[in-house]
Amino acid sequence: GENVEQHPSTLSVQEGDSAVIKCTYSDSASNYFPWYKQELGKRPQLIIDIRSNVGEKKDQRIAVTLNKTAKHFSLHITETQPEDSAVYFCAASQGAQKLVFGQGTRLTINP
Amino acid sequence: GAVVSQHPSWVICKSGTSVKIECRSLDFQATTMFWYRQFPKQSLMLMATSNEGSKATYEQGVEKDKFLINHASLTLSTLTVTSAHPEDSSFYICSASGGSGYNEQFFGPGTRLTVL
Repeated sequence: GENVEQHPSTLSVQEGDSAVIKCTYSDSASNYFPWYKQELGKRPQLIIDIRSNVGEKKDQRIAVTLNKTAKHFSLHITETQPEDSAVYFCAASQGAQKLVFGQGTRLTINP
Repeated sequence: GAVVSQHPSWVICKSGTSVKIECRSLDFQATTMFWYRQFPKQSLMLMATSNEGSKATYEQGVEKDKFLINHASLTLSTLTVTSAHPEDSSFYICSASGGSGYNEQFFGPGTRLTVL
């Protein structure tokens, strides 16, 4: 089955700097790669997603890149703000099948 | 947008009792619902996938007789934790999707279960 590895587990950056979180997946049949932000005790919130027919997608300060050949995808957050502090999860799935989550990255933005 | 609710938001129960958690899609028909468990500072682990009107598919290592899932309608799925023990204490989150080929899952707010 699918296996998703996420790095780093913790990330601390200065406010205004960029943050990058990376994930690799094992199943070449996976074609949907969402990223979630989760605050303590809350539900995961979808912040951006990408499908396998696209190499990059951007939404304001957030971007995701996908390398299908290498089977890895990354989340890029630019101009970080204190409210970006949270735990971020990547995930992978095939079609409407189950999501397999990465281990999570605790992002801390230092003012 | 697509809204998923869960009830209760938190529950405390005694060891040996059963607890039922409801997951509802409020403004769309959820052909598939997923149940996740999340321990503190860990990732979401899928417990089972349920499709309306059929038996749930459980992930390896999840006891189907302990975690009973019913997906009786296109808007409601329930998870019953039977004979709960302290090690079942966790954050249980459901999600729902609208059909095949539609990838996005919409998450409920979660249920914090504490078993004393």
